Amino acid sequence: EDQVTQSPEALRLQEGESSSLNCSYTVSGLRGLFWYRQDPGKGPEFLFTLYSAGEEKEKERLKATLTKKESFLHITAPKPEDSATYLCAVQSQGGSEKLVFGKGTKLTVNP
Amino acid sequence: DAGVIQSPRHEVTEMGQEVTLRCKPISGHNSLFWYRQTMMRGLELLIYFNNNVPIDDSGMPEDRFSAKMPNASFSTLKIQPSEPRDSAVYFCASSLSQGYGYTFGSGTRLTVV
Repeated sequence: EDQVTQSPEALRLQEGESSSLNCSYTVSGLRGLFWYRQDPGKGPEFLFTLYSAGEEKEKERLKATLTKKESFLHITAPKPEDSATYLCAVQSQGGSEKLVFGKGTKLTVNP
Repeated sequence: DAGVIQSPRHEVTEMGQEVTLRCKPISGHNSLFWYRQTMMRGLELLIYFNNNVPIDDSGMPEDRFSAKMPNASFSTLKIQPSEPRDSAVYFCASSLSQGYGYTFGSGTRLTVV
């Protein structure tokens, strides 16, 4: 069974203080690893898809990286507007489009 | 595009009542997903459709839950009878194809009292 574990559960940063969020996964053949951002009262918003180990993708202050066992979401010089819950999900090979999500990391950036 | 549209945004109902949640996917997307989100269990897939056909309903909790997709632009998730443990946020999402990210709706917050 595919599993995703995210750590830490919550992270509090000062504005400008860079850090990383971790997503460890177990999957029977990875088709893709997905990162989402979720703001309170809203649906998850797609950020990145990573397909193979060694791949990296960037968007503004966010950079996602992938190894064979985990993914990191690096946040460089965060701003208060980066505060949200960040969700990681995996999709396995074999035909199913199902995404299995972790429980997320709640990030708070204080001004 | 208006994105994935869900209705209602909030629903409060009494135990034993029937609840129907509605979803309009993004035009052109051929897969539709229903997820449930709770603090304890996070996001869990209930069922997904591809080209209006149910593909995986293994996440549907029990016979009280049913989902339909009569055409490419509309889906419903029905709970009958509802129970307090069904209280959660229910999300609908759609996708262009395998390997692409989903686009989620804003969710329906269901409270069963």
